[in-house]
Amino acid sequence: KAGVTQTPRYLIKTRGQQVTLSCSPISGHRSVSWYQQTPGQGLQFLFEYFSETQRNKGNFPGRFSGRQFSNSRSEMNVSTLELGDSALYLCASSFAGESTDTQYFGPGTRLTVL
Amino acid sequence: AQTVTQSQPEMSVQEAETVTLSCTYDTSENNYYLFWYKQPPSRQMILVIRQEAYKQQNATENRFSVNFQKAAKSFSLKISDSQLGDTAMYFCAFMKRTGAGSYQLTFGKGTKLSVIP
Repeated sequence: KAGVTQTPRYLIKTRGQQVTLSCSPISGHRSVSWYQQTPGQGLQFLFEYFSETQRNKGNFPGRFSGRQFSNSRSEMNVSTLELGDSALYLCASSFAGESTDTQYFGPGTRLTVL
Repeated sequence: AQTVTQSQPEMSVQEAETVTLSCTYDTSENNYYLFWYKQPPSRQMILVIRQEAYKQQNATENRFSVNFQKAAKSFSLKISDSQLGDTAMYFCAFMKRTGAGSYQLTFGKGTKLSVIP
């Protein structure tokens, strides 16, 4: 079974621009979560989607948004980029069963904001 | 809110030796899950081992095992017969179910493990 895939792997943008990152979950997984990883703040939860609905959101400004499609693929969007948005963005998928929900991660998208 | 603390920013171990990475967490929840993930230089986050809080038996996965002390809120990872490929950043993570049915991981700051030949 193929793992979680993320595109693009690397991205360079300038301040003020917007960016869209994509995540394809493991086949059969219905939940997609996004995390931001920076040297200073570590790994922080952004949001989680299940059945095209955002079920949970972390403490990030409204510039960070996402969506999920009917095939469970997810995108996250960051508008009006700031230098501090430079980070590794990790996507994780899970089956979203009732009793357990182990998350499996993709390789990440490295975003650099100049 | 949950917090996860990894008190060892960096550790090293000789190849074939055993090393233990520490993790403590703070929560008022009774039902939760604990994980160890490794992130090698490739940056791919890889699941190492999982522990359900309601299980008293410590989880094991080949050379990896945990010492789960629920009352002490401690969750350490033991790596036996360390291999060069174990060199990575190791993250301890806590997971609980939210009211909306979502699961969210809270990570520690990580321990950088170097395996020395």
